[in-house]
Amino acid sequence: AQSVTQPDIHITVSEGASLELRCNYSYGATPYLFWYVQSPGQGLQLLLKYFSGDTLVQGIKGFEAEFKRSQSSFNLRKPSVHWSDAAEYFCAVGAIAGNQFYFGTGTSLTVIP
Amino acid sequence: NAGVTQTPKFQVLKTGQSMTLQCAQDMNHNSMYWYRQDPGMGLRLIYYSASEGTTDKGEVPNGYNVSRLNKREFSLRLESAAPSQTSVYFCASRREETQYFGPGTRLLVL
Repeated sequence: AQSVTQPDIHITVSEGASLELRCNYSYGATPYLFWYVQSPGQGLQLLLKYFSGDTLVQGIKGFEAEFKRSQSSFNLRKPSVHWSDAAEYFCAVGAIAGNQFYFGTGTSLTVIP
Repeated sequence: NAGVTQTPKFQVLKTGQSMTLQCAQDMNHNSMYWYRQDPGMGLRLIYYSASEGTTDKGEVPNGYNVSRLNKREFSLRLESAAPSQTSVYFCASRREETQYFGPGTRLLVL
């Protein structure tokens, strides 16, 4: 069965500190992997995606994520967090050439000055 | 270029009432999706349409119907609303592997 686990419901970091959000997935086929960000009251926006090639992918707003097949993980990182990064972050998985996508339950990020 | 638009932004219904949530995209995408977002549950797929004229059930289709009116528009209908359908509803369209989301409709069923 397909599933995405984001073990951290809420994370608080200080502005300027580094960030890592965890994502583990279970998927029967070769997956597409995604990270989306949702600001309060808004829809989701794609941060980055992975489906093949270099396992370290770069996204918008200075985010990057690393795919580790052996650990079924796709963790999101940022070296230095800005106050504007406060939002909810969703990891998602889908099949290459498939129609459905599965989302994790989200991680809420608070940034303190 | 508005992307994905949804109407209404907010709606309050009484149990048993019906309503249709509207979604339109101007990006000429073939695939469109309806999700619901509930606290602690993430996004769950209700229905999707891979192309004009086709619709398929997702993870949580019970209590909903959809219509892919044309390539631009994909509506979600609640025939008899229930309090369990209180949620935030997101429409999305898809180009290749990337989904583009609308701003959402907040629905409260009393």
